[in-house]
Amino acid sequence: GAGVSQSPRYKVAKRGQDVALRCDPISGHVSLFWYQQALGQGPEFLTYFQNEAQLDKSGLPSDRFFAERPEGSVSTLKIQRTQQEDSAVYLCASSFGQPQSTEAFFGQGTRLTVV
Amino acid sequence: KNEVEQSPQNLTAQEGEFITINCSYSVGISALHWLQQHPGGGIVSLFMLSSGKKKHGRLIATINIQEKHSSLHITASHPRDSAVYICAGTLRWTSGSRLTFGEGTQLTVNP
Repeated sequence: GAGVSQSPRYKVAKRGQDVALRCDPISGHVSLFWYQQALGQGPEFLTYFQNEAQLDKSGLPSDRFFAERPEGSVSTLKIQRTQQEDSAVYLCASSFGQPQSTEAFFGQGTRLTVV
Repeated sequence: KNEVEQSPQNLTAQEGEFITINCSYSVGISALHWLQQHPGGGIVSLFMLSSGKKKHGRLIATINIQEKHSSLHITASHPRDSAVYICAGTLRWTSGSRLTFGEGTQLTVNP
């Protein structure tokens, strides 16, 4: 497809379960971002990749959160031992990156509910 | 204090009204974005601007760099404009030029 694709769209996890969220960015986009959006709030930065390199993971809230982009294309955000406070929409965005363009294109998000 | 602040938080309008949403920021940014988010989560980029004014259809975005302020205007509002509008800044001096977001303005346009 032409846009950023995320799967699954919705995920319900039992507390303590591990989850994996997938992001398929626009082909050729170098930069990839993960954001977390709690209900009624604006998105918050989690982590950033340039190609396969994770250059910034300062926003990851705990060591239960792990992200990878092994071939510089598809990225996976993994959350281990999920807790109720992890319930949020997880957004992926990609861009060509500097110097071309920093305009970000967003996926539809994955809504995670931890019960 | 958030790096990006929006007002109002909620806005209800009648169809046809002129709407303004305001955004102020306190950090160094290289660009200001206006985004639209419908129920279900997906975010669509409306504008990215670093100076002046941009117009697309009934939407107008302006930015005043000196005052660190931007506005989004919707002329002749329509119920299909109902959505959350989010202001975001591309942060300078960060790896990858990541975005910092306001909390969003929930707009409801009634017929």
